[in-house]
Amino acid sequence: NAGVMQNPRHLVRRRGQEARLRCSPMKGHSHVYWYRQLPEEGLKFMVYLQKENIIDESGMPKERFSAEFPKEGPSILRIQQVVRGDSAAYFCASSPGRQQMNTEAFFGQGTRLTVV
Amino acid sequence: EDKVVQSPLSLVVHEGDTVTLNCSYEVTNFRSLLWYKQEKKAPTFLFMLTSSGIEKKSGRLSSILDKKELFSILNITATQTGDSAVYLCAVIASGSRLTFGEGTQLTVNP
Repeated sequence: NAGVMQNPRHLVRRRGQEARLRCSPMKGHSHVYWYRQLPEEGLKFMVYLQKENIIDESGMPKERFSAEFPKEGPSILRIQQVVRGDSAAYFCASSPGRQQMNTEAFFGQGTRLTVV
Repeated sequence: EDKVVQSPLSLVVHEGDTVTLNCSYEVTNFRSLLWYKQEKKAPTFLFMLTSSGIEKKSGRLSSILDKKELFSILNITATQTGDSAVYLCAVIASGSRLTFGEGTQLTVNP
C-alpha cells in the first residue's frame, strides 16, 4: 500500500523556467494538500484540492503558481517563470475526504526545488 | 488569522534526558492538533489530539491537549540520538488544512 508519492525528489531549474511538481495521493484518498517549506522555516499551506476542484487556494501566491488535480492522474503544482525565492521543499499530503476532516494527513517525501 | 506557536525553537540535551516541547494555538473553529517528526525529509505523523486531557502514548513519546488553555505538550522520555529531529505541531481549524508552527529543533547528544 504505497504512501503519498511525489516526483521528482529533486528539481533544478534556471530562473525563468517552469517547474512541475507531481503528487499521487495514497490509495483511496481523494483530497490533496500542497505545502511549502522555505529553508529554516515551518511548513506553510498553499492549496487544497479534490478531484477536478480547488477547495482552498488562499495560501497560493497570486501570480506564477497554479495547481490542479485532474480526474485521472496525479495532482500537479506548476510554477511558471521561477525565481530564486521559489527554492524550497514542496510537500504534498493526502487525506481520505472532507467528511473525515479529523483524519491525519499523510505526507509525501517532498520535492526539493532549487532555482539557479 | 490562525496561529500556532512552538517553544522552544531549539533544544540540546543528552541521551537519557526527558524533554517537553510546547505548542500553543489561536485558531477559529479548532478541530484537532497534530504532532509530526521531521528528519530532513517528509513529516511523519506522531499523534492527533482532539479531546482535552486525554494522554496519547507511543513508546517513549506522549502528548496531551488542553483546549481550555489552548496548548499541547509533547514529552519524550529517556531520549536517544535517534530522537534528534524537528518536531512540528499543526492545527486543523476551519477547512481541512493544517496550520503549522515553526517547529522545535531537538538535538540529542550521546
